[in-house]
Amino acid sequence: NAGVTQTPKFQVLKTGQSMTLQCAQDMNHNSMYWYRQDPGMGLRLIYYSASEGTTDKGEVPNGYNVSRLNKREFSLRLESAAPSQTSVYFCASRDPDRGGSNSPLHFGNGTRLTVT
Amino acid sequence: GQSLEQPSEVTAVEGAIVQINCTYQTSGFYGLSWYQQHDGGAPTFLSYNALDGLEETGRFSSFLSRSDSYGYLLLQELQMKDSASYFCAVRLRVQGDMRFGAGTRLTVKP
Repeated sequence: NAGVTQTPKFQVLKTGQSMTLQCAQDMNHNSMYWYRQDPGMGLRLIYYSASEGTTDKGEVPNGYNVSRLNKREFSLRLESAAPSQTSVYFCASRDPDRGGSNSPLHFGNGTRLTVT
Repeated sequence: GQSLEQPSEVTAVEGAIVQINCTYQTSGFYGLSWYQQHDGGAPTFLSYNALDGLEETGRFSSFLSRSDSYGYLLLQELQMKDSASYFCAVRLRVQGDMRFGAGTRLTVKP
């Protein structure tokens, strides 16, 4: 059971280049998330998808686009990378709460992105 | 905007008890969660409170007071492996939109 899988693990881009970060989960979860993590700033929500076919902006969406390709996959695209987007990116998924109990976030291992 | 405040660093010795506080001001509230993250790793879920009171899970407990917009994580019988960053998180909506605090780095010393 792989859980949440992110690719690639590491990436170096030049300013202005584009790339797509891939995320897939095999837990049949409805909701998926993209966070970025910078030193001293915790995890900041970029976009999330509450269910297949829907996406919503989080707190730092500028410079990013997302696609919920199907229930399993949620990709994050940087159209024109900037040094300010150097960060560690985490994908996560969760199921709706059932019977009053909480469903926690399950995180992937992250993608470490450097933009020069 | 949304804000979750927690101390940036806490230091304690092995075997001691430590409390990490979290105060929040958010537009919605569907529960307070706590996550642990070791250096270089992914965050993992520790605890959740939807209602006021104390939830206990082994050596970890979490408390919530919705009227005070305040919660804390209590770690007992500290071990060296508890050295990590701890994040509080608030779910703003029923489905999705989880926001995190900046994290508290806990260092456990021998």
